[in-house]
Amino acid sequence: NAGVTQTPKFQVLKTGQSMTLQCAQDMNHNSMYWYRQDPGMGLRLIYYSASEGTTDKGEVPNGYNVSRLNKREFSLRLESAAPSQTSVYFCASSGLLAGGTDTQYFGPGTRLTVL
Amino acid sequence: QKEVEQNSGPLSVPEGAIASLNCTYSDRGSQSFFWYRQYSGKSPELIMSIYSNGDKEDGRFTAQLNKASQYVSLLIRDSQPSDSATYLCAVRTGANSKLTFGKGITLSVRP
Repeated sequence: NAGVTQTPKFQVLKTGQSMTLQCAQDMNHNSMYWYRQDPGMGLRLIYYSASEGTTDKGEVPNGYNVSRLNKREFSLRLESAAPSQTSVYFCASSGLLAGGTDTQYFGPGTRLTVL
Repeated sequence: QKEVEQNSGPLSVPEGAIASLNCTYSDRGSQSFFWYRQYSGKSPELIMSIYSNGDKEDGRFTAQLNKASQYVSLLIRDSQPSDSATYLCAVRTGANSKLTFGKGITLSVRP
């Protein structure tokens, strides 16, 4: 049981290049999320997917697109990278805790630098 | 806009002391509250959850919730250098599983 996995772990892009960040979870969770974390800004939600086949914008969606490929996989695409997108990106999935409520479990993160 | 505030910090305490981390939230409809710990260069990991007013204890950690004051806190007793990390407060409101995170408080425990 690997939990939430993300690839790649590190990436350096030039301005204008595109790339896709991959995320997969093996916990049979319905909901998945993409966050970015910047110094002093905390975790900010980019997009989320409540279930397979649905996606919704979060707090900072501009410059990003997502695909919920199946229940396990949720990818984040940068079509034309900009230096402002230099950040650490975390994928998370949401599952039940004992007691009936749910919370989020995070992947290891992707550290992206855009030059 | 739903907000979660963690204004105090960074926090430095000596080993063995009690560390007190505070968080306030704006949405009175908030239902579930979580504390995550994040070591430098790592991802957030859940350490405590609380849903009802009062205290919830788990080992050296105690979460406290006061919905009337819209306040949730985390106490760490007998602080250890290994507790040095950033602590994120997260709040869930509504039927979906989205969380709103505070910006975090960085705790340093001095040996």
